[in-house]
Amino acid sequence: ETGVTQSPTHLIKTRGQQVTLRCSSQSGHNTVSWYQQALGQGPQFIFQYYREEENGRGNFPPRFSGLQFPNYSSELNVNALELDDSALYLCASSSADGLADSYEQYFGPGTRLTVT
Amino acid sequence: KQEVTQIPAALSVPEGENLVLNCSFTDSAIYNLQWFRQDPGKGLTSLLLIQSSQREQTSGRLNASLDKSSGRSTLYIAASQPGDSATYLCAVVGSWEKLTFGTGTRLTIIP
Repeated sequence: ETGVTQSPTHLIKTRGQQVTLRCSSQSGHNTVSWYQQALGQGPQFIFQYYREEENGRGNFPPRFSGLQFPNYSSELNVNALELDDSALYLCASSSADGLADSYEQYFGPGTRLTVT
Repeated sequence: KQEVTQIPAALSVPEGENLVLNCSFTDSAIYNLQWFRQDPGKGLTSLLLIQSSQREQTSGRLNASLDKSSGRSTLYIAASQPGDSATYLCAVVGSWEKLTFGTGTRLTIIP
């Protein structure tokens, strides 16, 4: 069974640029969530996708957007990068049915984004 | 708005000791609570998940308890080892499987 994978591992971008981060869900999982973790903080929920549709969103501006593909892999896109976007971006997958029932979430290793 | 607090922020103990990490949350309407481990610069490893109807879960040297009514959870680590050194995060699940995390406890086990 393959776990959650993310690419790239590290990324350096300039303020104002756009970035795309990628996530492959664990086999059999149909729900993916993205989190932003600033240094020394706990992860903050960005949004969740279930069966290719956004299923919930945290307190992040519209320049943070995402996609989920038929194979349940996912992308996080961030436009007009700001210095405060520098963080570890984590993807988590689960086999929930998209409702509020509780299923264990499995995290990938993260992508470290640095904005200069 | 759900808020999760973890105390202490950092903890150092000698190898072999038993220890308890604390987590508190403000809204008791949760579906489950998960404890994670995070090594520096790495992703999160799930340690234990406690369903809202459960009181505790055990895995090896780890035992987690949940008291929904008081908004508290504890993670007990028995016979600590240097390899247990990491940051421990608790997270509660509300709607849409959204995890709300605490800021973590950085644990150092002294050989």
